[in-house]
Amino acid sequence: AQKITQTQPGMFVQEKEAVTLDCTYDTSDQSYGLFWYKQPSSGEMIFLIYQGSYDEQNATEGRYSLNFQKARKSANLVISASQLGDSAMYFCAMGSGSARQLTFGSGTQLTVLP
Amino acid sequence: NAGVTQTPKFQVLKTGQSMTLQCAQDMNHEYMSWYRQDPGMGLRLIHYSVGAGITDQGEVPNGYNVSRSTTEDFPLRLLSAAPSQTSVYFCASNPGGGRTQYFGPGTRLLVL
Repeated sequence: AQKITQTQPGMFVQEKEAVTLDCTYDTSDQSYGLFWYKQPSSGEMIFLIYQGSYDEQNATEGRYSLNFQKARKSANLVISASQLGDSAMYFCAMGSGSARQLTFGSGTQLTVLP
Repeated sequence: NAGVTQTPKFQVLKTGQSMTLQCAQDMNHEYMSWYRQDPGMGLRLIHYSVGAGITDQGEVPNGYNVSRSTTEDFPLRLLSAAPSQTSVYFCASNPGGGRTQYFGPGTRLLVL
């Protein structure tokens, strides 16, 4: 069974600073993918970034980067130059299986302070 | 492309009533899934499908039925609604390869 752990229920960051959101995972699968989603107060799920278990380089998408440490089973999200619009709930998820079924963590509520 | 669409956006049911949550995608994706999100929690997988005619159970399937007669549509049926099924329901699709999942806007369901 897969498990995703996000140990930070809430985080605060000053505008324009960088912030790291933690995610650890547990799986016995060799092939899997790690996802980060943003959920603003409006409720939609916004895809941010993906890292495959066999990807050799850490994924980056604009201001988002994923710090993937396979041996430690961690997949932390780094947001550089935080903006007020980054305030939202952030979910780490792992996909495996034929349909890449997702297992989600409990989320981290990020608040960006002006 | 409309992406993944879900109807209705909001629904109130009485205990014991049945209803169908609709999900459709116009991206010709093979894989579709249903998740529920309870307050303060992450999403949990209810059912998923790897193609037309093929469905399987996820983590929390009890009380829900699905079918996949076409590639585009993946409806979720609540047979006899219970207050414990009060939640936000998300439908998702992906094209295979597993590098992204497209989510619908969600259906907020309240069971009284």
